[in-house]
Amino acid sequence: QVTLRESGPALVKPTQTLTLTCTFSGFSLSTSAMCVSWIRQPPGRALEWLARIDWDDDKYYSTSLKTRLTISKDTSKNQVVLTMTNVDPVDTGTYYCARILPTGGWHVFDYWGQGILVTVSS
Amino acid sequence: QSALTQPASVSGSPGQSITISCIGTSSDVGGYDYVSWYQQHPGKAPKLMIYDVSRRPSGVSNRFSGSKSGNTASLTISGLQAEDEAEYYCSSHTSSSTLVFGGGTKVTVL
Repeated sequence: QVTLRESGPALVKPTQTLTLTCTFSGFSLSTSAMCVSWIRQPPGRALEWLARIDWDDDKYYSTSLKTRLTISKDTSKNQVVLTMTNVDPVDTGTYYCARILPTGGWHVFDYWGQGILVTVSS
Repeated sequence: QSALTQPASVSGSPGQSITISCIGTSSDVGGYDYVSWYQQHPGKAPKLMIYDVSRRPSGVSNRFSGSKSGNTASLTISGLQAEDEAEYYCSSHTSSSTLVFGGGTKVTVL
């Protein structure tokens, strides 16, 4: 049974660095074709893809946010970490981590975490 | 990368069929058969409904189907049911090896 759960601060001040952790079970990121992504959703707005990390440590970032994002994995802990620097109130939203379907083509999310609401405010 | 274009809302009566369009460019929708569709109920995480343009994950009703023509992908829901009322998002792989989502379509069952 695949599960993912996001954790991190609910409130962050502008200009600070946001660190989110995705803890998963039911699969291993050391297994070929396994990948995890982060996606966010501002309140009342559309989904936005942020980043992806693959089993072989390949990483992909949103073009518009790549200078502020870092994604990493700890295979032994079954965790994926996303850091976002210099946050702004527009970064407020629900942040999801999701597993990528191993047998699908590129960025197909078959399992999602419940999401974590992050508010950026002073 | 600009978001894919979806209609803001689509509605239909129970039992009817509706189609949601997702318009991109040759650098995303038109260039790859990597379009997915997600259903999201309020306060819930999205759920995968269609991937690789027309493939349906195990457990998803066959009332949901996907297609693509040129730079436009489509999701059709046949035999509309009350439980289908939700927000629907398309997504596509891009030539930059990134992912772009659509703006979302609110489906209302009349």
